[in-house]
Amino acid sequence: KQEVTQIPAALSVPEGENLVLNCSFTDSAIYNLQWFRQDPGKGLTSLLLIQSSQREQTSGRLNASLDKSSGRSTLYIAASQPGDSATYLCAVPSGGGADGLTFGKGTHLIIQP
Amino acid sequence: GAGVSQSPSNKVTEKGKDVELRCDPISGHTALYWYRQSLGQGLEFLIYFQGNSAPDKSGLPSDRFSAERTGGSVSTLTIQRTQQEDSAVYLCASSPFVAGGGRNEQFFGPGTRLTVL
Repeated sequence: KQEVTQIPAALSVPEGENLVLNCSFTDSAIYNLQWFRQDPGKGLTSLLLIQSSQREQTSGRLNASLDKSSGRSTLYIAASQPGDSATYLCAVPSGGGADGLTFGKGTHLIIQP
Repeated sequence: GAGVSQSPSNKVTEKGKDVELRCDPISGHTALYWYRQSLGQGLEFLIYFQGNSAPDKSGLPSDRFSAERTGGSVSTLTIQRTQQEDSAVYLCASSPFVAGGGRNEQFFGPGTRLTVL
């Protein structure tokens, strides 16, 4: 059974810092990995999808890497801003490529102005 | 463009009543997913549809939960004889089915907050 772990559970940093969020998964036979953000009381916003054949994906100040063989992914946020404050979740398909996702419990991020 | 929509946004019901939650996926998305997010459990997968069929119902917590999808579009999640432990946010997602699976990005709706008194 796939399990996803995210470290740290919470993080508070001053505005402007670069930071790294970590995600690990137990079954490396994945088709992709997705990073989401969730604002309080809201649904999930997809940030990045990395296919298993890729090593990284970039969108603006966000960069996600994937090391499938070691079961790890990182989300790098450059020049953090207060608007980045949210909970960040990583998720992998539970089985085949179109299956439901298994989520980590998230990293609750606070960027101090 | 329209994203995934869900209704109602909030639902308060009494223990023992039945509830129906609705999801409208992004137009053209063939895959549809239901998840539940509760305080102690995090996000858990409930059921997945490809078109109108549900190849994976493994996450439904009990036989009080059922879901259907008609016309390859709208889906309804029904909870019968609701219990207090059913209180949670129910999230729906959709994705375009791409052979090989690598590019099946899921897009989520805003959720329905269910409170069972």
